[in-house]
Amino acid sequence: DTGVSQDPRHKITKRGQNVTFRCDPISEHNRLYWYRQTLGQGPEFLTYFQNEAQLEKSRLLSDRFSAERPKGSFSTLEIQRTEQGDSAMYLCASRFSSPRTGGNEQFFGPGTRLTVL
Amino acid sequence: AQSVTQLDSQVPVFEEAPVELRCNYSSSVSVYLFWYVQYPNQGLQLLLKYLSGSTLVESINGFEAEFNKSQTSFHLRKPSVHISDTAEYFCAVSDRMTGNQFYFGTGTSLTVIP
Repeated sequence: DTGVSQDPRHKITKRGQNVTFRCDPISEHNRLYWYRQTLGQGPEFLTYFQNEAQLEKSRLLSDRFSAERPKGSFSTLEIQRTEQGDSAMYLCASRFSSPRTGGNEQFFGPGTRLTVL
Repeated sequence: AQSVTQLDSQVPVFEEAPVELRCNYSSSVSVYLFWYVQYPNQGLQLLLKYLSGSTLVESINGFEAEFNKSQTSFHLRKPSVHISDTAEYFCAVSDRMTGNQFYFGTGTSLTVIP
């Protein structure tokens, strides 16, 4: 399967714990995105990378959230001192972007469902 | 920033009946438009997209959407729905100039009734 993969698929944690999620994008895709989706809502943009550079962060991304893409391939999203309000589906997406391919769609992974007790 | 409005949160429809899922966006600039479908416990899958050219775009499973610039709309239609079309549908827009972010609507839950 050469699609976007995410690990784990489900995570249950206690409030105050740290969690880390991993995303493996489609190999030739240079852009990687993180979204958060809560029940009854569409995906909300958190941050994106162009290769290893984090180019944009949403104000939704508080100081407790950090994302990395150290080698321009897989990415991790860490949430420190989790709160119940962090419970959501965390989606990763990737796409190939160049000046000639501005309209390329994003390909989504299956998501990581986080439940904070 | 862009915003996307999906006017109907839930749409029940009988099998083989037609359906229209509405999407409006707010933008004064050129945009790319997308419809994604999300089946239970799965990620989002692209259904169709409008980039340029013909304002009517079609998917392989019978859906179509029409880009209407004057009304800033991109409504999704299907003339005859199947049970398997039951899913959540999201409209998304990205700025043609930057193409960095995708802005999603809140989704429409389509339920096809046998």
